[in-house]
Amino acid sequence: GAVVSQHPSRVICKSGTSVKIECRSLDFQATTMFWYRQFPKQSLMLMATSNEGSKATYEQGVEKDKFLINHASLTLSTLTVTSAHPEDSSFYICSAREFSGGPDTQYFGPGTRLTVL
Amino acid sequence: RKEVEQDPGPFNVPEGATVAFNCTYSNSASQSFFWYRQDCRKEPKLLMSVYSSGNEDGRFTAQLNRASQYISLLIRDSKLSDSATYLCVVNVGGSARQLTFGSGTQLTVLP
Repeated sequence: GAVVSQHPSRVICKSGTSVKIECRSLDFQATTMFWYRQFPKQSLMLMATSNEGSKATYEQGVEKDKFLINHASLTLSTLTVTSAHPEDSSFYICSAREFSGGPDTQYFGPGTRLTVL
Repeated sequence: RKEVEQDPGPFNVPEGATVAFNCTYSNSASQSFFWYRQDCRKEPKLLMSVYSSGNEDGRFTAQLNRASQYISLLIRDSKLSDSATYLCVVNVGGSARQLTFGSGTQLTVLP
């Protein structure tokens, strides 16, 4: 199946710093990527939909100025958590949608665990 | 009301048991349905799609009832390796085809 990578897999940072997370589709082109956040014992919550070459669409309650998304190419989307605070500590997961003309499928990256001290 | 609701469990069952999970969704326009499996501290992985006619993949059987907006997953002859959180996932369609996740049902298969 298709492979999606995320980097870094884990990051620990001080409060106030910015953290950049990369999501890459390794063997297919993804016109759309999704960014999710998952707090402990909760489900994945969609943060934003990232479209190549255009602005991301953010879900209600997600601050677009805090969570900057750039989808510069068909294989790369980045999420930057600006001025991170302890409440931003979470598991961030991206997914990329492969659409080959048949049923489209989302493939998930392995996730990035962010801890803000 | 949550868009996708699941019993959080936990379900603790002995090896070899049959276990069933249920899920309801609120958007009647939902177009496609899935069960994902998520292991602790890992990303979700697609277990199976769910079709209106019901479908089976080995020990796993999924059912969809559009009239009742209800999805189920049956696991037969459960194995220790089946221990995970099972996520009911719905796609409401449209241009974005976003997935909406249930909060998951935790399963532990005991030796």
